[in-house]
Formats: sequence, structure tokens, C-alpha cells
Amino acid sequence: DAGVTQSPTHLIKTRGQQVTLRCSPKSGHDTVSWYQQALGQGPQFIFQYYEEEERQRGNFPDRFSGHQFPNYSSELNVNALLLGDSALYLCASSIDNEQFFGPGTRLTVL
Amino acid sequence: RKEVEQDPGPFNVPEGATVAFNCTYSNSASQSFFWYRQDCRKEPKLLMSVYSSGNEDGRFTAQLNRASQYISLLIRDSKLSDSATYLCVVLRGAGTASKLTFGTGTRLQVTL
Repeated sequence: DAGVTQSPTHLIKTRGQQVTLRCSPKSGHDTVSWYQQALGQGPQFIFQYYEEEERQRGNFPDRFSGHQFPNYSSELNVNALLLGDSALYLCASSIDNEQFFGPGTRLTVL
Repeated sequence: RKEVEQDPGPFNVPEGATVAFNCTYSNSASQSFFWYRQDCRKEPKLLMSVYSSGNEDGRFTAQLNRASQYISLLIRDSKLSDSATYLCVVLRGAGTASKLTFGTGTRLQVTL
């Protein structure tokens, strides 16, 4: 049983560009949450998707948007990248309250 | 004030030592509590849930004090492999309204 998978593993972009990160949840999980983890910090909640809708959102600007597909996979899009967007982006899938994290996508903005 | 606060450490302890981490949370509506472990450049993984009555899993003991709004993790007989960052996590809400909030993590380094 595959766990949560994310792609790509690493990404380098320049300021102003746009990026799309992808996540496939653990089998049987219908809820996907995205987190941003800056160096030396804990993961910060970006948003959560369930039934293809954004259900909750953390304190992130509209430059951060997402999508969930009928197969429960999800994308995180970030527009107009800033240097401060450099971080590890984690996807977590859940059923009930236990969340399982993917390995993350490390985004570097130059 | 941060919703979940932890001492970032690092805690440097010799193998075999006992080490304890504390965490405080500010929102009294928080319902569930967890400790996650995160190895360097890896994703967080659930270590254990924390119950009001306290719970133990091998060398790890977690306790919750709702009145004082703090959570603790005790590691006995530390192993080199325990070196990692330990994240305190609180959950508010339920189902699709649930939200996990992470502390910054406490870094543990176990040495020979």
C-alpha cells in the first residue's frame, strides 16, 4: 500500500514565477492538507481539501491556491513566487484525525 | 503569542539518559494532542497521541495537563536513533473542520 506521494521532490524557481506541486493521498484517504515548513520551523497549515472543495484555510495569501481531483489527488499552486516562499511543502492525507505526511517538495526560490 | 510553543533546543544528551520535552498551547478549545518525530530533511511521522490519563509506548511517555495547557514527552534510556526533532501538535475541530497546529519542534541530539 503506497503512502502519500508528492512530486517533484525538489524544485528551483525564480522570483515572480509560478509553481505547481502535486500530491497523491494514501489509499482510502479522502482529505488532503497542505503545509509549508520553513527551515527551523514547524509545518504551517496552508489549506485543506475534501470532496474537491477547499474546506479550511490558514493564514496564507491568495497567491496560494489549490485543487482536489475526483481521485482525491491534489495540487498546490503558488503564483508570483517570493524568496520567502522557499520551504519544504508537505502534503498530508487523512481519514478521521490521523494525518499521514508525504516526503515533501523542497522549493527553492532564487 | 504562538498557539503552540516549544523550546527549540537543541538538547544534547548522552546515550542512556532520560530527557523530557515540554510544550504549551494557548487555545483551551484544543481537543487532541500528539507528538510527531521529524528526522532531518524528512517528513513528520506520528510518534504518539497524548491522552489526559497519560500514556506510555516503550521508552516514551506522554502526558497532558489540560488545566495548565501543557504537554510533555519523556524519553528514557535514550538511543542514538532517537536523535531527531520532536514536534508538539494540537488538534482543534473535527472531520473536515479539524486543524492541526504544530510547534516549532525541539531538536534532540543523542551522543555516545
